[in-house]
Amino acid sequence: DIVMTQSPFSLAVSEGEMVTINCKSSQSLLSSGNQKNYLAWYQQKPGQSPKLLIYYASTRQSGVPDRFIGSGSGTDFTLTISDVQAEDLADYYCLQHYSSYTFGAGTKLELK
Amino acid sequence: EVQLVETGGGLVQPGNSLKLSCATSGFTFSTAWMNWIRQTPGKRLEWLAQIEDKSNNYFISYLESVKGRFTISRDDSKSSVYLQMNNLKEEDTAIYYCGVTIAYWGQGTLVTVSS
Repeated sequence: DIVMTQSPFSLAVSEGEMVTINCKSSQSLLSSGNQKNYLAWYQQKPGQSPKLLIYYASTRQSGVPDRFIGSGSGTDFTLTISDVQAEDLADYYCLQHYSSYTFGAGTKLELK
Repeated sequence: EVQLVETGGGLVQPGNSLKLSCATSGFTFSTAWMNWIRQTPGKRLEWLAQIEDKSNNYFISYLESVKGRFTISRDDSKSSVYLQMNNLKEEDTAIYYCGVTIAYWGQGTLVTVSS
């Protein structure tokens, strides 16, 4: 089974700052067939279900602001939020769907 | 607009059963791969089961720890997916979401297993 190690557990930021959240998988998520990384990022606000932000490691879902940037390949992935806004305060999760599905433990983004 | 609405959650005693339903609209259900995911009180997310579409013979896969207790099914004529949960345990307490591929999730239904 693929294990996803997500860090940090929580992050306190001020509006306008840039933050990075990391996810490391126990094996490569890169498909040799299509050269795509099967890694997604979700945002979950209180009382809501998770919302897909990024898929294939770096492709933004329709409607997602371009301050959300996904990067990485193989086993190491990063979600960068530039110019954090108050509306971005939420929990963030990574998901691997290369082999079955496994989520990271989540990162709570809070106001400093 | 894609919509998924889960129903059927509630309070149930350990050892009992519950069947969750997920009614969908806004996409071509018959060709969609459908999932059930849950979120524990500690906010951990856990994928539970997937059912593929008719062209893939409705292939089903489960998280190992729920195999034999949980059963996923679908009714393409009703654009709905189901999760039958048997022999429920206290650790099954969670919000249960249905999802279409990895893209869209419903709002969830709360299942509480307690005596």
